[in-house]
Amino acid sequence: AQKVTQAQTEISVVEKEDVTLDCVYETRDTTYYLFWYKQPPSGELVFLIRRNSFDEQNEISGRYSWNFQKSTSSFNFTITASQVVDSAVYFCALDNQGGKLIFGQGTELSVKP
Amino acid sequence: DTAVSQTPKYLVTQMGNDKSIKCEQNLGHDTMYWYKQDSKKFLKIMFSYNNKELIINETVPNRFSPKSPDKAHLNLHINSLELGDSAVYFCASSHFRLAEAGSDQETQYFGPGTRLLVL
Repeated sequence: AQKVTQAQTEISVVEKEDVTLDCVYETRDTTYYLFWYKQPPSGELVFLIRRNSFDEQNEISGRYSWNFQKSTSSFNFTITASQVVDSAVYFCALDNQGGKLIFGQGTELSVKP
Repeated sequence: DTAVSQTPKYLVTQMGNDKSIKCEQNLGHDTMYWYKQDSKKFLKIMFSYNNKELIINETVPNRFSPKSPDKAHLNLHINSLELGDSAVYFCASSHFRLAEAGSDQETQYFGPGTRLLVL
């Protein structure tokens, strides 16, 4: 069975702090895809990144970086120098090629000025 | 210019009514989806259509009936609405092709959501 766990329900930081959002997944498949989505207070779901199971290279995009470690089944997301606009709910998701996203419970990040 | 659009954005209705939510994508994608987000923000897939063919049908009451007139549209009709149907419904689309399952999985892009409140 596939499962995604985001153990941090809520995180609160002060602007300019770095913050890491944890994501742990379970799957028996050898080929799978991992995603992060952002849901700002306005409610839409914004795609951030997609990673396939064969690519463990870490990725950096501006202040965002992702650490994929198959050995620990984790796909963590770090925001460097957080800003108020980063306040949102962040979802980690897994797809085992069936075309079905399995989402974690989400982590609500609050960045205070 | 909107990639995935949904109408209406808000829907307030009485228990027992029948309502529809429409979704359209202009990305040229082959597959469309409906997800439900409950009051605790949990997101779960309901249905998926690939080129007008139903390919995913999760355990959803049969009061919910998706309809895909063409691959750019996927509508969701809900009969006899219940209080527990109150949620945000998201439509999504991707290039996923059933015949090519095993190839690189494409990203799903979501619409803005429809907030349904059943009174």
